[in-house]
Amino acid sequence: AQSVAQPEDQVNVAEGNPLTVKCTYSVSGNPYLFWYVQYPNRGLQFLLKYITGDNLVKGSYGFEAEFNKSQTSFHLKKPSALVSDSALYFCAVGSSGTYKYIFGTGTRLKVLA
Amino acid sequence: DVKVTQSSRYLVKRTGEKVFLECVQDMDHENMFWYRQDPGLGLRLIYFSYDVKMKEKGDIPEGYSVSREKKERFSLILESASTNQTSMYLCASSFPRKGMDEQFFGPGTRLTVL
Repeated sequence: AQSVAQPEDQVNVAEGNPLTVKCTYSVSGNPYLFWYVQYPNRGLQFLLKYITGDNLVKGSYGFEAEFNKSQTSFHLKKPSALVSDSALYFCAVGSSGTYKYIFGTGTRLKVLA
Repeated sequence: DVKVTQSSRYLVKRTGEKVFLECVQDMDHENMFWYRQDPGLGLRLIYFSYDVKMKEKGDIPEGYSVSREKKERFSLILESASTNQTSMYLCASSFPRKGMDEQFFGPGTRLTVL
């Protein structure tokens, strides 16, 4: 069965510092991994995805994520955080055997000025 | 620009009422999804559809039904609303490849059942 874990409910980081939001997954077969961001009272917006290829994936707004097969992780990163990055972040996993995607419980990122 | 719209941003209904949530996408996507979002639980899939008139149960279908008569429209129906269905409801659509395509989300409907 597919599952996704986001171990941190909240991450606080100072503006200008690097940020990491963690995600681990479990899936049979090849994983397809996604990150989404949700601003208050809005739907989710797609940030980036890993399907195959380079383990480092670059996405919108300067975010990137590193796929690590041995650790079954797909952590979201940004070299220098902005206050405007403060939002709720969701990791999701899909597989080629199903139309369903499984979402993590979300991590609230707070970037402090 | 890609667009998924939902019929209401906020909705207040009474226990026992039949509730319709509408979702429309303009991207000619085959796949459409309904989720509910609750604090600490993330997004949970209620139903999805991979073609017109096709529907499949997600992880929490009890108390809900769906309708997809046209490709662009996917409706979620609460047959008899209950207070435990108070939640944020999100609609999404995607291209047809299983599990591989990003989803495009609507703005959400915050439903309160009194």
